Amino acid sequence: DQQVKQNSPSLSVQEGRISILNCDYTNSMFDYFLWYKKYPAEGPTFLISISSIKDKNEDGRFTVFLNKSAKHLSLHIVPSQPGDSAVYFCAVDNYGQNFVFGPGTRLSVLP
Amino acid sequence: DTGVSQDPRHKITKRGQNVTFRCDPISEHNRLYWYRQTLGQGPEFLTYFQNEAQLEKSRLLSDRFSAERPKGSFSTLEIQRTEQGDSAMYLCAWTSGRRETQYFGPGTRLLVL
Repeated sequence: DQQVKQNSPSLSVQEGRISILNCDYTNSMFDYFLWYKKYPAEGPTFLISISSIKDKNEDGRFTVFLNKSAKHLSLHIVPSQPGDSAVYFCAVDNYGQNFVFGPGTRLSVLP
Repeated sequence: DTGVSQDPRHKITKRGQNVTFRCDPISEHNRLYWYRQTLGQGPEFLTYFQNEAQLEKSRLLSDRFSAERPKGSFSTLEIQRTEQGDSAMYLCAWTSGRRETQYFGPGTRLLVL
């Protein structure tokens, strides 16, 4: 039973447009959420995080939104660039013990 | 630079052989994690250490897997009697404490023939 779901395996966006990646989680007790980016043959790279006391966190072109009632978070990338093409993982902090990751969404930014 | 290196980066072995991977944090970070990632999946937690103490092990960590972190610095992950299902990328991560961001190393890609 997946605790973290990313229902879109892939997403294609034109360069300069907005990319929106979505993530749903099942446990309302989760209170710290993160997004990672992964290129082939490399480890995941931390992008941005948000705690449950906030509903939005912004860092440059990246913004994460958290909807606690819907148990949903999203990552917005504006404007999208070809270098953003990668697999994006949503992760939740599992009671401070470890992280639980979603299966990932492959983003392709087309020039 | 994420503050952690892993060795080797790639390993090909035959079924039934033993393999060992190493993770070296640049400094002695408090917590060190091992994850496994297979194709089409996100990283899956295997085990973690706080200093030299192994505090939690996932049910994914069968009896063939063992991890150590002597002296609370580098860590090793050994897989005995490898099986084809062990083929995956093995990732090491560190963090400074509970509920802190985890930073990943480049991973070791294992292929069991």
